[in-house]
Amino acid sequence: DAKTTQPTSMDCAEGRAANLPCNHSTISGNEYVYWYRQIHSQGPQYIIHGLKNNETNEMASLIITEDRKSSTLILPHATLRDTAVYYCIALSTGNQFYFGTGTSLTVIP
Amino acid sequence: DTEVTQTPKHLVMGMTNKKSLKCEQHMGHRAMYWYKQKAKKPPELMFVYSYEKLSINESVPSRFSPECPNSSLLNLHLHALQPEDSALYLCASSQEVGRTYNEQFFGPGTRLTVL
Repeated sequence: DAKTTQPTSMDCAEGRAANLPCNHSTISGNEYVYWYRQIHSQGPQYIIHGLKNNETNEMASLIITEDRKSSTLILPHATLRDTAVYYCIALSTGNQFYFGTGTSLTVIP
Repeated sequence: DTEVTQTPKHLVMGMTNKKSLKCEQHMGHRAMYWYKQKAKKPPELMFVYSYEKLSINESVPSRFSPECPNSSLLNLHLHALQPEDSALYLCASSQEVGRTYNEQFFGPGTRLTVL
């Protein structure tokens, strides 16, 4: 599975969009990009996933570059409850989740 | 029901004790997972069960013994643990291993302290 690289921490003002980047330059053609988040001492929570196309759901949007070497998770209107560690994972079919170090997002009032 | 439940929420045990962690899901998932998470670190995969059979053991010490009695239940038996085994133990499930995509649903975890 491709290794992912994320910034260690980010801040975002409440109500603004939070843009969390992820590099996965060694991603192969069949590897999906998943995003999970983990609020302090809880289990990780699924946010969104994608392969090639941009994706949107009720929680977030996922923008994947055309060469698929990086992606950005967008939380359109960050709230204090979005403060968490966000994990980007590149995963191929049948393989398992190996979490990277993630980005600690702090939403500031 | 899209929930994975784990019991107990907290567990304190001595190094000579034997205890078990329990995980349950009723989503019809056929893959179940154990992860270990130390403070301020990402979750680390320990075991994967696929159709009630152990398919992956990430070189976990034998003092951790997983068991999958049926498709809804996953146990982790603990014996002769060390203080460094203190961590949050997470259980997860997914529809099955090998699908085109493999969303995993996580439980809230069991916070284990070994004295």
